[in-house]
This record gives sequence, structure tokens and C-alpha cells, in this order.
Amino acid sequence: DAGVTQSPTHLIKTRGQQVTLRCSPKSGHDTVSWYQQALGQGPQFIFQYYEEEERQRGNFPDRFSGHQFPNYSSELNVNALLLGDSALYLCASSLGSEPVYFGEGSWLTVV
Amino acid sequence: QQQVKQSPQSLIVQKGGISIINCAYENTAFDYFPWYQQFPGKGPALLIAIRPDVSEKKEGRFTISFNKSAKQFSLHIMDSQPGDSATYFCAAKPQGGSEKLVFGKGTKLTVNP
Repeated sequence: DAGVTQSPTHLIKTRGQQVTLRCSPKSGHDTVSWYQQALGQGPQFIFQYYEEEERQRGNFPDRFSGHQFPNYSSELNVNALLLGDSALYLCASSLGSEPVYFGEGSWLTVV
Repeated sequence: QQQVKQSPQSLIVQKGGISIINCAYENTAFDYFPWYQQFPGKGPALLIAIRPDVSEKKEGRFTISFNKSAKQFSLHIMDSQPGDSATYFCAAKPQGGSEKLVFGKGTKLTVNP
């Protein structure tokens, strides 16, 4: 039973560029959330998708957007990258509200 | 703003000892409290979770104690092993339809052999 899978695992982007991160939820899960984890900090909620719609959003600017596909997989897009966007981006999935399982994350470095 | 405060920031324990990590929350509107274990370069792994109608939950060497009146919950790791060395995060999920998890800042646990 595959867990939450994310790609790519690492990537380096230049300021101002755009990035797309991808996530496949754990088998049987229908809800996908995205979190940003800065070095030495706990994960911060970005947004959650359910039935292909954004259900809830954290305190992140509109540069952060997402999408959920009919097969429940999801993408996180970040436009106009800033140095401060460098972080580990985590995808989490659940069936309903909990329990919530995380993937290994995508490490984004903005230079 | 809903917050979860976690302590200590770092913890060093000898092999076989008990590791205790504490968390406190600032309002009563949480209804689910999970703990996650994170190794360097990896994503957080769900360890154990509790709901506020239960005062204690044990799974193997890991126990959550929950004090609703004090708005505190803690993780106890019995017979700590060097393989338990990781960063531990407590989290809480607001009730009332909110789906996000609010995390503490983490505790780096080192278990010396």
C-alpha cells in the first residue's frame, strides 16, 4: 500500500520563477493538504483540497495556488518565487479529517 | 490566533530512560491531538493521536497524556532508544469544520547509547 508520494524530491529555482510540486495521496484517501516547513520550524498549513475544490486556506499569499485532479492527486504552484519560499513542502492526505499522513516532501531552494 | 506551544526545544536522554515532551494550547477549540516523528530529510510520520474525551492513550513505548482542564498534553517515550533520536512535533486540529493541523515548533530528541 503506497503512502503519500511527492515529486520532485529536490529542486532549485531562481527568484521570480514559478514552480509546480506534485502529490499522490495514500491509497483510498480523498483529501489533500499542503504544508510549508521552514528549517527548524513546524509545518504551516497552506491549503486543503477536497472534491477538486480548495476547502480551506492558511495565511499564504495568492502566489500559492493549487489543484486537485479527479484521481485525488494534487499540485501546488508557487509564482514569482522569493528567497523566503525556500522550504520543505509537504503534502498530506486523509480520508475525511483524520488521521493525516504526510509524504517525504519536496525540498525547494530559491536562489 | 490559535497556537500550540511545545517544550523543551531540545532534549537529551540516556538509553533506557523516559523522554517527556510537553505541549499546551491556548484555546479550547481543538478536538484532535496527533504527535509526529520526523527524521532529518524525511517527512513527519504519524506516531500516536488522542481526542479530548480520553485522558491517556498508549501504543507500545509511546503514551499520550491529556489534561483538558489545563489545556496540556504530553508525549512519554518509555525505554528510549538511540533509534528514537528525531524531532517530535505535537499538533492540534481545530474543531468546527476546520481541517488544518496547527503544529508546535518541535522538540529535537537525542538518545545517547
